[in-house]
Amino acid sequence: EVQLVESGGDLVQPGGSLRLSCAASGFIFADYAMNWVRQAPGQGLEWVSSTTGRGDYITTYYADSVKGRFTISRDNSKNMLYLQMSSLRVEDTALYFCVKGLFLIDYWGRGTLVTVSS
Amino acid sequence: DIVLTQTPVSSPVTLGQPASISCRSSQSLVHSAGKTYLNWLQQRPGQPPRLLIYQASNRSSGVPDRFSGSGAGTDFTLKISRVEAEDVGVYYCMQATQFPRTFGQGTKLEIK
Repeated sequence: EVQLVESGGDLVQPGGSLRLSCAASGFIFADYAMNWVRQAPGQGLEWVSSTTGRGDYITTYYADSVKGRFTISRDNSKNMLYLQMSSLRVEDTALYFCVKGLFLIDYWGRGTLVTVSS
Repeated sequence: DIVLTQTPVSSPVTLGQPASISCRSSQSLVHSAGKTYLNWLQQRPGQPPRLLIYQASNRSSGVPDRFSGSGAGTDFTLKISRVEAEDVGVYYCMQATQFPRTFGQGTKLEIK
């Protein structure tokens, strides 16, 4: 059974940093692209970032709203996906989902809540 | 960026009656490999999104056959043949043809 379990969400002040983690199981993690998608309270879904491939062929993509502030990474030996977030803004407040797949976006974690507030 | 526009924004439906949601894309969703990467997602209250339909018309594993997807190019439709109480939630279309990935604004399905 595929499982994606996010962690690391917290209350952080504007300008602060946070690292989200996603523990994956139930599939060959290294074979799949992975994504972060967020949902602000009461709002719709917003794609944040994706990482594809493995080894020397990993490619990363970012939404313009987070480019230069967020960094996606993965540790295929530990089946872990990460999102390093810095220079956080109030508008980054959201539930962050870890999502499997490149074209077939087939599994979602339950999310971890990031609140940016002073 | 590809903009996805869903209609209606809200859909009150009587139990047992059909429902239909439209998703229109600002550009063709046909990938260079020839496939169309348009997904439909369901988000029930308090739950993460769940994949219903992929590549515009293929039901994901475990999805009831009352859900169907159709369309090509820039116009897509999700249909529920007979709405059940468990179908309440928000439905999103999402394109995975190009980066950045984008979502429709969502359609809230409610029971009358």
